[in-house]
Amino acid sequence: DAKTTQPNSMESNEEEPVHLPCNHSTISGTDYIHWYRQLPSQGPEYVIHGLTSNVNNRMASLAIAEDRKSSTLILHRATLRDAAVYYCIFSGGGADGLTFGKGTHLIIQP
Amino acid sequence: AAGVIQSPRHLIKEKRETATLKCYPIPRHDTVYWYQQGPGQDPQFLISFYEKMQSDKGSIPDRFSAQQFSDYHSELNMSSLELGDSALYFCASSPGLAGVPEPHSNEQFFGPGTRLTVL
Repeated sequence: DAKTTQPNSMESNEEEPVHLPCNHSTISGTDYIHWYRQLPSQGPEYVIHGLTSNVNNRMASLAIAEDRKSSTLILHRATLRDAAVYYCIFSGGGADGLTFGKGTHLIIQP
Repeated sequence: AAGVIQSPRHLIKEKRETATLKCYPIPRHDTVYWYQQGPGQDPQFLISFYEKMQSDKGSIPDRFSAQQFSDYHSELNMSSLELGDSALYFCASSPGLAGVPEPHSNEQFFGPGTRLTVL
């Protein structure tokens, strides 16, 4: 079972950066690190993924520790629309199903 | 951009009835996944298909079956429905081998879900 550890909840102010941590000490060398988020009453939404190097896309940045046992999702400038549950998941790829843990409930204060 | 389409969006059934949920993946995506999310729960993986063959299996009950068709759409068939089957059912698709630049990196794109209520 792909096990990750995330804070239950975090709070941030609008327009400030947010750093969401994740520990995945049992990750194997070929597992990808994925981040998804789920807004209320919606399906999960892909945010970003990486393997070894840090990654940037239009939504966020992903910083991966050198030993790959932890990662941090960075939202550069949080908005109220970023309030969601954020899930960190590692997966071997292919057509493997994703194992969603408890995730981090991100609260954004105006 | 085209997204994953699920139908119906809402479904109400009685106990012991059957239900069929449909999923139409993003064009050119060849891999489909099904997830179940109970009230207040996190999504749970049920089953996946790649190129019309079952690929990975999660916590799918024996009363449920699924398949992927030649046009890549998928159907989840649920029989002998129980009250505990009331949940949101999400379908997701991924580009599989067609994923660029990382084939099989497995980023999944989810549909809006079907809300099943069993009375």
